[in-house]
Amino acid sequence: DAGVIQSPRHEVTEMGQEVTLRCKPISGHNSLFWYRQTMMRGLELLIYFNNNVPIDDSGMPEDRFSAKMPNASFSTLKIQPSEPRDSAVYFCATAWELYNEQFFGPGTRLTVL
Amino acid sequence: RKEVEQDPGPFNVPEGATVAFNCTYSNSASQSFFWYRQDCRKEPKLLMSVYSSGNEDGRFTAQLNRASQYISLLIRDSKLSDSATYLCVVNIRTSYDKVIFGPGTSLSVIP
Repeated sequence: DAGVIQSPRHEVTEMGQEVTLRCKPISGHNSLFWYRQTMMRGLELLIYFNNNVPIDDSGMPEDRFSAKMPNASFSTLKIQPSEPRDSAVYFCATAWELYNEQFFGPGTRLTVL
Repeated sequence: RKEVEQDPGPFNVPEGATVAFNCTYSNSASQSFFWYRQDCRKEPKLLMSVYSSGNEDGRFTAQLNRASQYISLLIRDSKLSDSATYLCVVNIRTSYDKVIFGPGTSLSVIP
């Protein structure tokens, strides 16, 4: 298995632009998580899905952030419009179920200028 | 008070030393617990789950104390390759399920 796949690995964009991050989970995993990591705030859970349904999005910072999981093999995290304070590493992780080991993707390093 | 707190670190220890990390959690509805390891500029990876009776995996021992609401990780005979950030993770089951990562403790093993 290729593991969790995230794209792009690096993204540099200008303030105000739309950013879309993509995640392909491990086949068969029912839970998918989006995290953001910065030096200041550590690893923060943004949202998670179970069986493609969003369960808890209380970690999504603002309305500028949205996440979708249209099917079991794909999820997106969108930021529109992006701001410099959104600069961080965004991780996608998946698990068989919510309480199982999470497998992380390599992350997307986002820089908003 | 944060829901999950860890020793602030950083811990700088010589090779061969024994080092222990603590993690405290505030929600008594916490159900399951893990230790993850994160290398610099890499993604977190599971180190070990933490079971109620305590568990050991080679040089690593994890313990859970539900009464005092803390978990611990003990590393014996530290290796240079153990240098990383160690994150404790707590899964909470209330009206909905919640996963919380601690802020992490940085470990540097020095030759």
